[in-house]
Amino acid sequence: QQQVKQSPQSLIVQKGGISIINCAYENTAFDYFPWYQQFPGKGPALLIAIRPDVSEKKEGRFTISFNKSAKQFSLHIMDSQPGDSATYFCAAGGANAGKSTFGDGTTLTVKP
Amino acid sequence: EAQVTQNPRYLITVTGKKLTVTCSQNMNHEYMSWYRQDPGLGLRQIYYSMNVEVTDKGDVPEGYKVSRKEKRNFPLILESPSPNQTSLYFCASSYNDRGNTEAFFGQGTRLTVV
Repeated sequence: QQQVKQSPQSLIVQKGGISIINCAYENTAFDYFPWYQQFPGKGPALLIAIRPDVSEKKEGRFTISFNKSAKQFSLHIMDSQPGDSATYFCAAGGANAGKSTFGDGTTLTVKP
Repeated sequence: EAQVTQNPRYLITVTGKKLTVTCSQNMNHEYMSWYRQDPGLGLRQIYYSMNVEVTDKGDVPEGYKVSRKEKRNFPLILESPSPNQTSLYFCASSYNDRGNTEAFFGQGTRLTVV
């Protein structure tokens, strides 16, 4: 049973556009929701994270939106750039949830 | 510089020959974990450790062992490697207050078992 479902699997966006990646979780014990960015040949890098006591968190061009009642959270990349082309993973964890769980990843391509 | 260091970066070995992939972090993190990444299967957790002498199984622990004798080190041991363990492996670490999620990943170890 997959506890974190991520969509879409791949995404193509024009330069300057908005990239949106969605994740849904099932375990209500999750209380920490990070997003990671991974470039080919590199390890994932923590991009931004949110706790369920806020509905939105913004860092530069990256924003997490969180909907606790729907058990969904999403990553928005504003003014997408070709350098944002990478694979993005959502994850969910919690001190009382045991181990963390990753989504399957989204390959983002930003066209010039 | 804060980092998670894995060694080796690349390894080719033969079936059944025991090997160890080392992982070390310099951030005094309590939480450490190991993942494998395979095409189309995303990141799958092998083992994780909440602190020294505390380890637990992830999603795919079969064929792997770990130990956490010191806070900074979390080696991954393959007692008898098999070809289905050919993969890209990542070690990661974090503070415990991040809900057992990872803040820093290593650069990866690409293992080929022939």
